[in-house]
Formats: sequence, structure tokens, C-alpha cells
Amino acid sequence: SQQGEEDPQALSIQEGENATMNCSYKTSINNLQWYRQNSGRGLVHLILIRSNEREKHSGRLRVTLDTSKKSSSLLITASRAADTASYFCATVLLGGGYNKLIFGAGTRLAVHP
Amino acid sequence: KAGVTQTPRYLIKTRGQQVTLSCSPISGHRSVSWYQQTPGQGLQFLFEYFSETQRNKGNFPGRFSGRQFSNSRSEMNVSTLELGDSALYLCASSSPGAGGGNNEQFFGPGTRLTVL
Repeated sequence: SQQGEEDPQALSIQEGENATMNCSYKTSINNLQWYRQNSGRGLVHLILIRSNEREKHSGRLRVTLDTSKKSSSLLITASRAADTASYFCATVLLGGGYNKLIFGAGTRLAVHP
Repeated sequence: KAGVTQTPRYLIKTRGQQVTLSCSPISGHRSVSWYQQTPGQGLQFLFEYFSETQRNKGNFPGRFSGRQFSNSRSEMNVSTLELGDSALYLCASSSPGAGGGNNEQFFGPGTRLTVL
């Protein structure tokens, strides 16, 4: 069973708008990571947030983590057509194996010019 | 540095056959993990190899196996293929680092396996 649940399943926005995706998980984690996937290709790592961190930024990306609610969000600001992709959150469970990523179902983001 | 490479990129097999997929990690990376991606089950962890030893294993039947060589290259094998094994198989490598497990993984482009 998947650890993470993401919502929305699909998101359609215009260029320049912000996109927010949410991820919830069930058990204690070591860290949470976000990945992007374009059209069934390989995954690209976006950002990693550790369990003792609350917020991280990377360029136009902002990730928050609320361990009390077991949830995370990914915000993409000023979106571009090139941001069109599927976005996955993945958790590394506490004591579950360093490189064993448990993925959510993903959010399909479409950014229209 | 060259990225993670996977061969072959596409593969078509028939039920009952077996298949071997190959993954070459980024130079210096000693951990290689394998994932299966299907429309129905999403991305699922298969196993991880580190220094030629299987370190973690997902919930897949014994038909799925893997190994890692001394140069960190890894192969996975699926025997007695079933229609449900049709999927994109991704491998990822990472460097142990000093982060206590807080390491990003670098994914290859995947091998798309179709079982007829």
C-alpha cells in the first residue's frame, strides 16, 4: 500500500499562476522528497525536507512539512508551461531503510500558455 | 558526470519468458534501487542494493530478483513473466553521504517492459 496520498489528482492552471500540491502520509518519516516526472520518463528530484524541518525553498519551489498533521505541500510559484508534469511526494520511513522511497499517487499538473 | 543509464529502453516479451534489465549508476554511487511503475499501482519499491548486498526489499514475489556487481552496476531479473509485469522499471542511484539517509536519488530514464 502507498504511504502517501496526494491531492489534487490533477491540476490545470494558466502560466504565471501558482500551483499547490498536497501530500499526506501515515507513519513517522525520516524525510519527505518531491519528484517530477515528464510523460512516463525518469523522475527528477526536486527537493528533500527532513523530519525536523518545517519549510524549504529552491528557486520557485517551496515545500512545507507538518509532522503533527503528517502532511506536506509543494508550491510552485509563477508557473510555466515547462512545469507541466506529474509530481510525486515520496517518504523515507523512520527505520524503514535509507533509500526505500514510498511514493504517493502523484498530481498531474498542466500549465497552459 | 554521466547520469544513470538503463538498458534496454524498451522490451517486448511474451508470458512465461524471463527478462534481465540493466542499470549503471552515477560514478561513485554505491546504492542502486529499483522501482516498478504501473498505471494501477503507481510507483512501488522493488529492492535496493548497496556494495553488492541487497539492503532493502519491497513486497514483490520471488520471480523478481536482482544483483549488484563490484562496479556498482545492477541487474534485475523477472522470471516467468506475467501480463501484469508490464510496466516502466526505474532504477535510481544515490551516494551514501553523511546525511543518515537524507540523500536524494537520481533516476534513470527507465525500461518500458511490455508482456504479451
